[in-house]
Amino acid sequence: EVQLQQSGAELGKPGTSVKLSCKVSGYNIRNTYMHWVNQRPGKGLEWIGRIDPANGNTIYAEKFKSKATLTADTSSNTAYMQLSQLKSDDTAIYFCAIPWAYWGQGVMVTVSS
Amino acid sequence: NIVMTQSPKSMSISVGDRVTMNCKASQNVYNNIAWYQQKPGQSPKLLIYYASNRYNGVPDRFTGSGYGTDFTLTINSVQAEDAAFYYCQRIYNSPYTFGAGTKLELK
Repeated sequence: EVQLQQSGAELGKPGTSVKLSCKVSGYNIRNTYMHWVNQRPGKGLEWIGRIDPANGNTIYAEKFKSKATLTADTSSNTAYMQLSQLKSDDTAIYFCAIPWAYWGQGVMVTVSS
Repeated sequence: NIVMTQSPKSMSISVGDRVTMNCKASQNVYNNIAWYQQKPGQSPKLLIYYASNRYNGVPDRFTGSGYGTDFTLTINSVQAEDAAFYYCQRIYNSPYTFGAGTKLELK
């Protein structure tokens, strides 16, 4: 069974960074892209970017190019997303996904001073 | 960038009704569309991929159709558990843009 287990909720201050993790079991992440999607409170889904864990190649949505950094560790079968220069409108639930049937449970990031 | 426009924004339907919701792409996306169901507090669940392929375990009352720029998700004989948000998404190519969603409520 494929499972994506995301790290716990984060509270970050404006201007700081957070790093989210997504540990995959039941599937070798070398064989897929890992995507990240967010959902602001009461809003729809927004694609952030994806990484090819086999070679580290990344593609980002335009608005996230200077916000998100995607990495992956194939030895631990884990994908990561760092969000930098946090602002209040980064407050959202962040999902990782293996396209497109497998999703993590989501992690809430709250930005507040 | 491709824009995915969903309509209607919301609908209120009775159990047993047939529902049709739409997704329009701002440019040709061929059949590279997926549909998801999302309930509050849950991750999205894949219903349909490549426009018309029902994912494993999805009830056959869910049907996807369309090609190019216009796509439709139909739910035949809506059940109470179908109350949710529904999103379309461009897949296969970046950017993997989502539509804004359609909220399905049951009367």
